[in-house]
Amino acid sequence: EIQLQESGPGLVKPSQSLSLTCSVTGYTITSGYDWSWIRKFPGNKMEWMGYISYSGSTNYNPSLKSRISITRDTSKNQFFLQLNSVTTEDTATYYCARSRTIAAYFDYWGQGVMVTVSS
Amino acid sequence: DTVLTQSPALAVSPGERVSISCRASEGVNSYMHWYQQKPGQQPKLLIYKASNLASGVPARFSGSGSGTDFTLTIDPVEADDTATYFCQQSWNDPYTFGAGTKLELK
Repeated sequence: EIQLQESGPGLVKPSQSLSLTCSVTGYTITSGYDWSWIRKFPGNKMEWMGYISYSGSTNYNPSLKSRISITRDTSKNQFFLQLNSVTTEDTATYYCARSRTIAAYFDYWGQGVMVTVSS
Repeated sequence: DTVLTQSPALAVSPGERVSISCRASEGVNSYMHWYQQKPGQQPKLLIYKASNLASGVPARFSGSGSGTDFTLTIDPVEADDTATYFCQQSWNDPYTFGAGTKLELK
C-alpha cells in the first residue's frame, strides 16, 4: 500500500524558512509519477506549490518561484519542501501528494501537517 | 492562472441526487478532477479526467463535462457524503483548485 507522510515543525517564525519532509512507502519515487506539495489555507483555499518528478526535474507555481525549492533523497525515498522568507500568510496545512505525469491528478495524499507562521 | 468557480454550499436530503458544478475561466480540455475532503482528513480522489471513477469509489459518484463546465453528481446521496468537494484542473500551468463546495445533508 502506498503511503505518504509529512513531517516537520508546526511553528515557524516570520522571515525564516519552512522545511518539510514527505516520506513515501510502498512505491519508489524514482519509478514514476510526480511528487507534489499542496497547501490548504484557513478558509479552504488550496494551492498547488510545485513538484519534483521521478527523474528529478522540478516545476513550481510561479507565485512561489522565488521562494520555493523541492528536493529529494532517493536513498531514503523522501522528498522535501523548503519555503523561504515566510510570512503569516504561509500559515496553512501542507500536504504531499503523488500525481500522474500525464493528466496530473493527485491519487495519493499524505495526512497533512499544520504549519503556523508566528513570532 | 485558471480560476475554478464552485458554489459555496449545498444542502440535500439522503436519497436525493445532487450536482456540484465547477466552471473554469478558460478551457481545460477534459483535465478536470474531483476530490472529497472530510474534516481532519486529506482529500480523496473521486473522479479523474472529468468522468473517470477513481479506484474504490462507489458508482454513486459520476462526473461529466469538458472545456469550461464540469459537474460532479452523487446519486443517491448518503449521510456519509457530508464533506467538501473540490475540483482541480491540470490542463493549464499552474494546476489550480476550486474553493470547494460544502455538501450538507438535511
